[in-house]
Amino acid sequence: NAGVTQTPKFQVLKTGQSMTLQCAQDMNHEYMSWYRQDPGMGLRLIHYSVGAGITDQGEVPNGYNVSRSTTEDFPLRLLSAAPSQTSVYFCASSYFPPHGTGGRETQYFGPGTRLLVL
Amino acid sequence: AQSVTQLGSHVSVSEGALVLLRCNYSSSVPPYLFWYVQYPNQGLQLLLKYTTGATLVKGINGFEAEFKKSETSFHLTKPSAHMSDAAEYFCAVREGGSQGNLIFGKGTKLSVKP
Repeated sequence: NAGVTQTPKFQVLKTGQSMTLQCAQDMNHEYMSWYRQDPGMGLRLIHYSVGAGITDQGEVPNGYNVSRSTTEDFPLRLLSAAPSQTSVYFCASSYFPPHGTGGRETQYFGPGTRLLVL
Repeated sequence: AQSVTQLGSHVSVSEGALVLLRCNYSSSVPPYLFWYVQYPNQGLQLLLKYTTGATLVKGINGFEAEFKKSETSFHLTKPSAHMSDAAEYFCAVREGGSQGNLIFGKGTKLSVKP
């Protein structure tokens, strides 16, 4: 059980380049999300998914695309990188138990991807 | 809309002193509240959370937090700071009972002086 994995750990891009940040989880969680962390801003939600084939926008979606073709993977795509996208990106995976089952909700964060756009 | 305010972007305490990190929230429905810790160059680790029931929540590493509905607060405390507690701490809120997203505060960086 590897939890939530993110690749790459660190990436340098030039303005206008594209890339995909990978996120995978092996816990069969339906809910996955992407956050960016910037100094003094906390974590802000970019996109999230409540299950395979379903995605939605968060607080700061502009410049990012996502897809969810499988339960395990939730890649984040930058189509044309900009210096404003220099940040640390965290993927998270969550489990919400059905109401009335008494189960415990859980959330796990990946180790992060540091992105520098020049 | 929900929001979280963490008072003080940087808090400094001496080793052995009380740690108090403040968090106030805004929510139109009963909230679920969380504290996360982030050590340098690492991801986020859940310290504790409040969902329902007892308002005093105990977490890992000796931290605890109390949900005070009348004050819309969820302050994090630890009786005696250790050097290893130096990290950044994030308070977060989620709409209670739903599969909603976490809304994070801007974080408080805790320094511990020897």
